[in-house]
Amino acid sequence: AQTVTQSQPEMSVQEAETVTLSCTYDTSENNYYLFWYKQPPSRQMILVIRQEAYKQQNATENRFSVNFQKAAKSFSLKISDSQLGDTAMYFCAFMTDSGGGADGLTFGKGTHLIIQP
Amino acid sequence: DAGVTQSPTHLIKTRGQHVTLRCSPISGHKSVSWYQQVLGQGPQFIFQYYEKEERGRGNFPDRFSARQFPNYSSELNVNALLLGDSALYLCASSSDPTSGNTIYFGEGSWLTVV
Repeated sequence: AQTVTQSQPEMSVQEAETVTLSCTYDTSENNYYLFWYKQPPSRQMILVIRQEAYKQQNATENRFSVNFQKAAKSFSLKISDSQLGDTAMYFCAFMTDSGGGADGLTFGKGTHLIIQP
Repeated sequence: DAGVTQSPTHLIKTRGQHVTLRCSPISGHKSVSWYQQVLGQGPQFIFQYYEKEERGRGNFPDRFSARQFPNYSSELNVNALLLGDSALYLCASSSDPTSGNTIYFGEGSWLTVV
């Protein structure tokens, strides 16, 4: 079974600063997908960024980028130039490639990110 | 375009009762998944359906069941409700269940069991 660990329950930074959220995972699979989801107070899960394990290049989406270290099973999220609207719960999630995704997403417990004005 | 829609948004049930939650996927999406999110935790996978067939099931008791209709909408049913079933139930859809396809979530149904 796969596990996802987010070791930072809460983080707080000033607006415009850069912040990095940590995520580690455990799996015996070689092919899989990793995701970061944002959950604002509205509770809707919004995809921030995704990474295919077979790609060495780190994914980027505007102000969001990841540091994917496959050997270390680490998948951190960096948010640059943080904005007040970035305040939310952030969840790291894993999906194995075997079984065609039938096992669904495995989520971590989340990091509550607070952007201070 | 409409996203994933869920109903009802909030409901309160008594222990032992039954509940049905409904989900309509994004137009064109044929795969629907259900997740349970207890307060303070990440979502946990319950079911995945594709083309009206159950393709995956998480570690949940048989009190939980689901189905997918010909129009790809889905229902999640929970029987003999327990206090511990109180949670946000999230529905998600994707074009097909191939691993890595972007999964889009609805806003959830808040279930409170008293």
